[in-house]
Amino acid sequence: GAGVSQSPRYKVAKRGQDVALRCDPISGHVSLFWYQQALGQGPEFLTYFQNEAQLDKSGLPSDRFFAERPEGSVSTLKIQRTQQEDSAVYLCASSLAPGGGEQFFGPGTRLTVL
Amino acid sequence: AQSVSQHNHHVILSEAASLELGCNYSYGGTVNLFWYVQYPGQHLQLLLKYFSGDPLVKGIKGFEAEFIKSKFSFNLRKPSVQWSDTAEYFCAVQANTGFQKLVFGTGTRLLVSP
Repeated sequence: GAGVSQSPRYKVAKRGQDVALRCDPISGHVSLFWYQQALGQGPEFLTYFQNEAQLDKSGLPSDRFFAERPEGSVSTLKIQRTQQEDSAVYLCASSLAPGGGEQFFGPGTRLTVL
Repeated sequence: AQSVSQHNHHVILSEAASLELGCNYSYGGTVNLFWYVQYPGQHLQLLLKYFSGDPLVKGIKGFEAEFIKSKFSFNLRKPSVQWSDTAEYFCAVQANTGFQKLVFGTGTRLLVSP
């Protein structure tokens, strides 16, 4: 596709529910990043994939957060047993080069946990 | 670890005024530097980037930024703002080695009044 796409664009979950957020990177992009953007803040790094390998997950805030990219293209960020503090915009970015370089961002998924 | 400081959280200008948004970073190694812009209702877009070479970089829509290594700064400038520049602006730093997550500042919300 022309750019990075994410779905759903908006998600409302009750506390304790599991959610899955999807990212479709630009075709051929090797690197994929997930960021979390809380209200009034800049995006913060969650995890990084190079193709299907998750090379860094140091930014994931707890073991309730899990990400995968099984075939090296589409990625899913899963949050189990959602809490109110998980409410944020989740951004996906991809880049052509291994390791990063210029990153292209998707529109984000706004998650609200009630 | 890298960190980024954006000094102005909210800026209000009249059309045709000049703009300068401050950005300072903290990191001991070589970095790449970025300014991203987020227009209302849209996703993060790259405004300009610095990897190496001429420390004065020009971006889209008449924006420019100057990298001053001795001051760890990468301030964004525009000589004459337009109403359409109303947006949130994020400075980001990226280590030049290893895998390259972006570390963002908290953002500056710019409002340009017609």
